[in-house]
Amino acid sequence: SQQGEEDPQALSIQEGENATMNCSYKTSINNLQWYRQNSGRGLVHLILIRSNEREKHSGRLRVTLDTSKKSSSLLITASRAADTASYFCATDAGSNYQLIWGAGTKLIIKP
Amino acid sequence: NAGVTQTPKFQVLKTGQSMTLQCAQDMNHEYMSWYRQDPGMGLRLIHYSVGAGITDQGEVPNGYNVSRSTTEDFPLRLLSAAPSQTSVYFCASSSPPIGEKLFFGSGTQLSVL
Repeated sequence: SQQGEEDPQALSIQEGENATMNCSYKTSINNLQWYRQNSGRGLVHLILIRSNEREKHSGRLRVTLDTSKKSSSLLITASRAADTASYFCATDAGSNYQLIWGAGTKLIIKP
Repeated sequence: NAGVTQTPKFQVLKTGQSMTLQCAQDMNHEYMSWYRQDPGMGLRLIHYSVGAGITDQGEVPNGYNVSRSTTEDFPLRLLSAAPSQTSVYFCASSSPPIGEKLFFGSGTQLSVL
């Protein structure tokens, strides 16, 4: 069962612009995580936000969480070519250590 | 530290063959897991382990077996490969709190003909 759904499925922007991607989920959660996957590689953890937090920052990343709307957004500011990757959200609903993953947003940064 | 190491990187099997995907981590993580990634879908959990000698099923366990005899190793066995098992397989581990900040291997691309 898929809990998280990312939107948009694909996003293409110019280098230097900001990129925003969204994740919606269906049930109450303990936390939500964002991961990045470069082509042909494993996933890399970016940031975790807990259900009692509304916003979190890490470098050029800003994550928000709206538990009333069951949604989260990931903002990457001043995008770079190296940000080209797929981005996934994963939710922890407290069910036996099982994270539920969305299908991802493919981000392309054009030079 | 090598992190999470998966072998092999690529594998082609014929229907009915069996094989083992290897996963090892050197971070002393209690939690290890196997996921499969299919195009257009999120990661789906196959099996996971919260410590040596302890394993449990995830969302899609059929056709796969696991064991955890040591903290470091968590092999995934395909018992009788089927074309539906063509996928990219990822091993991931984490320290407590379990499930937070997973560390992933680089993946195994498996094709079953």
